[in-house]
This record gives sequence, C-alpha cells and structure tokens, in this order.
Amino acid sequence: KAGVTQTPRYLIKTRGQQVTLSCSPISGHRSVSWYQQTPGQGLQFLFEYFSETQRNKGNFPGRFSGRQFSNSRSEMNVSTLELGDSALYLCASSLRLTSGGQETQYFGPGTRLLVL
Amino acid sequence: QQQVKQSPQSLIVQKGGISIINCAYENTAFDYFPWYQQFPGKGPALLIAIRPDVSEKKEGRFTISFNKSAKQFSLHIMDSQPGDSATYFCAASRISGGYNKLIFGAGTRLAVHP
Repeated sequence: KAGVTQTPRYLIKTRGQQVTLSCSPISGHRSVSWYQQTPGQGLQFLFEYFSETQRNKGNFPGRFSGRQFSNSRSEMNVSTLELGDSALYLCASSLRLTSGGQETQYFGPGTRLLVL
Repeated sequence: QQQVKQSPQSLIVQKGGISIINCAYENTAFDYFPWYQQFPGKGPALLIAIRPDVSEKKEGRFTISFNKSAKQFSLHIMDSQPGDSATYFCAASRISGGYNKLIFGAGTRLAVHP
C-alpha cells in the first residue's frame, strides 16, 4: 500500500505570495490532518478534514485554509505569506472510524516551504 | 491545559544502553498517548502508543510506562542501537470526543554512539 504522498516536496516563495500544498492520503483513509513543524514551535496542528468537512482546527490565522475532495485528497493554502511561515508542512492520514476510536495517523514526508 | 512537556531536549547513549525520554501532560481529558520517531528528511512515524487504562506497553525494545495519577508517561528504548538515532516526539490526544488532533511534545534528539 502506498504511503501518504505530498507535493511539492520543496517550495520557495516570497513574502505576500500565496501557496497551495497537496496531500494524497493512504488508500481507504478518510481523514487528513495538517501539521506545521518549525524548530521554534515544534509540531503544531493546523486542521483536520474528514468527509470534505473541517472537523478540527488549530490556533492559526485565517491565512491558513484547507479543503478536502471527494477522493479524500486534501490541499492546504496559505495566503499573504510571511517569513514566519517557513516550515515543514506535514500531512497525516487516518481511517477516522466513526466510532471515535483512535486510528494511527500516518505522516507523509512533508513539504518544505521557504519564504524569502 | 493543552501542553505536553517533554524532556530531555537531547540525549546521548552508548550502544546497548537504555534511552529514557519523559513526558508530562496537563489535560486529564487526554486518552491516547503515542510516541513518534522522526529521521531527518522524513515525516514522523508511529513507534508505540498507549491508552490510560494500561500502565505499561512493550513492543520489542520499546516500552511505554504510563502514570495516570502523575500525568506522566515515558519511553524506554532497551539495547539502544545507532540506528535508533533520531528525534522522538511524545504526543497526546483526546479521542473520546472524536478529536483527531495530536498535541506534540517539543521532541528529544537521541544520538546512540557505537
């Protein structure tokens, strides 16, 4: 079974631009979560999408948004980029059983975003 | 209330030794505690996880010890190997409410010297 894939792997943008990152979950997984990883703040939860709906949201400004498609693939968008948005953006997928039991979250390799 | 505190920040262990990483949490609603391992250039990978109704869980050389009253849990790596050199993250989540959100500790960089 193929793992979580993220594209692109590396990205360089300038301040004020916007960026869209893509995540393809493991086949059959319905939940996609996004995390930001920086040396200073560590791993921080951005949001989770399940059945094309945002289910959970972290403490990030509205410049960070996402969506999920009917095939469970997800995109996240960051508008008006700031220098502090430079980070590794990780996507994780899980089965998301409706019973609420925890399913393992499988992480992709991440997209390394550098904002100049 | 949402924090997970992890220590030490870095750890050096000789091959064959025991690596111990500790985490503490505040939110008593947390009910799922995984440990992730991350190698450079890779995403985190689940190592082992525990629920609060169990005080210890062992998988191979990796053991989680859980102390519910102290709100602490730890990872023990027995017979540490150079290949274990990586960054380790503890995490906590409240799955009973349907939350699929992991709160991570700051990470521990482990170096196992041959």
